[in-house]
Amino acid sequence: GAVVSQHPSRVICKSGTSVKIECRSLDFQATTMFWYRQFPKQSLMLMATSNEGSKATYEQGVEKDKFLINHASLTLSTLTVTSAHPEDSSFYICSASVAGGPDTQYFGPGTRLTVL
Amino acid sequence: GQQVMQIPQYQHVQEGEDFTTYCNSSTTLSNIQWYKQRPGGHPVFLIQLVKSGEVKKQKRLTFQFGEAKKNSSLHITATQTTDVGTYFCAADTGRRALTFGSGTRLQVQP
Repeated sequence: GAVVSQHPSRVICKSGTSVKIECRSLDFQATTMFWYRQFPKQSLMLMATSNEGSKATYEQGVEKDKFLINHASLTLSTLTVTSAHPEDSSFYICSASVAGGPDTQYFGPGTRLTVL
Repeated sequence: GQQVMQIPQYQHVQEGEDFTTYCNSSTTLSNIQWYKQRPGGHPVFLIQLVKSGEVKKQKRLTFQFGEAKKNSSLHITATQTTDVGTYFCAADTGRRALTFGSGTRLQVQP
């Protein structure tokens, strides 16, 4: 089946630093990847849609200058949390669907970010 | 924007009892998907429903899509401890992105 990996799985950083999270589709190509954020005991909230070779589409209320998304290839999207603050601490999950395939989304294992 | 409501928020059952979670949308959906997230894990795709009135079964799990394509349900027969987790419904926004319901957290007492 389609596998999506994320790196790192867990990161702790100081306030004001930037953190990069990678999302890779391991055995398929994904023209579109999605980034979600999940706070404890809450649902997943879509942050942005990452399109290969073009700018990401951000959801309302998500600061594009704070959450930088780059989709450099058909198998890699990165999310950089710039100048992270404690309120950015969350579980960040990416997903991807197979290019030209059905709508089923495959989720990465998530990255737990803790900002001190 | 599209909203997907899910109830109940939480359910605690004895092993062997049945469990149902319901999902309602304010708008007609093209399809609805169901995911399971174990504690500390990530969402895992269970199923997608597309047709009005569709019913699909996976062993002890029964999924239904309403006739008006605005609601859906997941029913688990004779729960087991391995069923523990949070069950989310999710609706396609039309851009392949998903709007998730609030989730139902299931706890099963052995």
